[in-house]
Amino acid sequence: IAGITQAPTSQILAAGRRMTLRCTQDMRHNAMYWYRQDLGLGLRLIHYSNTAGTTGKGEVPDGYSVSRANTDDFPLTLASAVPSQTSVYFCASSDPHLTSGGDHGFTDTQYFGPGTRLTVL
Amino acid sequence: GENVEQHPSTLSVQEGDSAVIKCTYSDSASNYFPWYKQELGKRPQLIIDIRSNVGEKKDQRIAVTLNKTAKHFSLHITETQPEDSAVYFCAARGEGSQGNLIFGKGTKLSVKP
Repeated sequence: IAGITQAPTSQILAAGRRMTLRCTQDMRHNAMYWYRQDLGLGLRLIHYSNTAGTTGKGEVPDGYSVSRANTDDFPLTLASAVPSQTSVYFCASSDPHLTSGGDHGFTDTQYFGPGTRLTVL
Repeated sequence: GENVEQHPSTLSVQEGDSAVIKCTYSDSASNYFPWYKQELGKRPQLIIDIRSNVGEKKDQRIAVTLNKTAKHFSLHITETQPEDSAVYFCAARGEGSQGNLIFGKGTKLSVKP
């Protein structure tokens, strides 16, 4: 079982170019997320999808688009890359569901992919 | 929407000492508070979480406490070891953020042998 994978591992891109970051999970998780990580700013949500066929905007969606045609894949597209989009991008997935235990009986652990380091020049 | 503040941004301790990282949140409706550990060059991984109906949760050397009235929660690591060195992120999920996690900016913990 691979879990959650991302491609490419790293990429150097000229400003103005179009780029798609790929994310695939084999855990049949309903929810998927894209974050960017910048030094000193932590993890910021770009877009999310609660289930196949639906997407939503996070904290920093401008300049990015996503699609969720099926459960497994959640690609992130930069239509026209700019240097401020230089960052490490993490995809994550989760399967919010009720458990049989106490503690509100709910689990929503997010599992992260290995990340894509993107440099826009 | 939800806002999460995390302190300190860096923390250095001697091996065997305890480390405490604190976070505050703004949305009183938030009900889930996970902590993630990220080693250098690796992905974030969940280490412990707590829900709003519980005041404290422990897992071996790690514990998390939650004060709903004051809207803050803390990560406690006892008997620290060099392998605890990493960046730790707190997060909160509130209804105002459509159920998504809002992360703190992270704390870089260094454990010196």
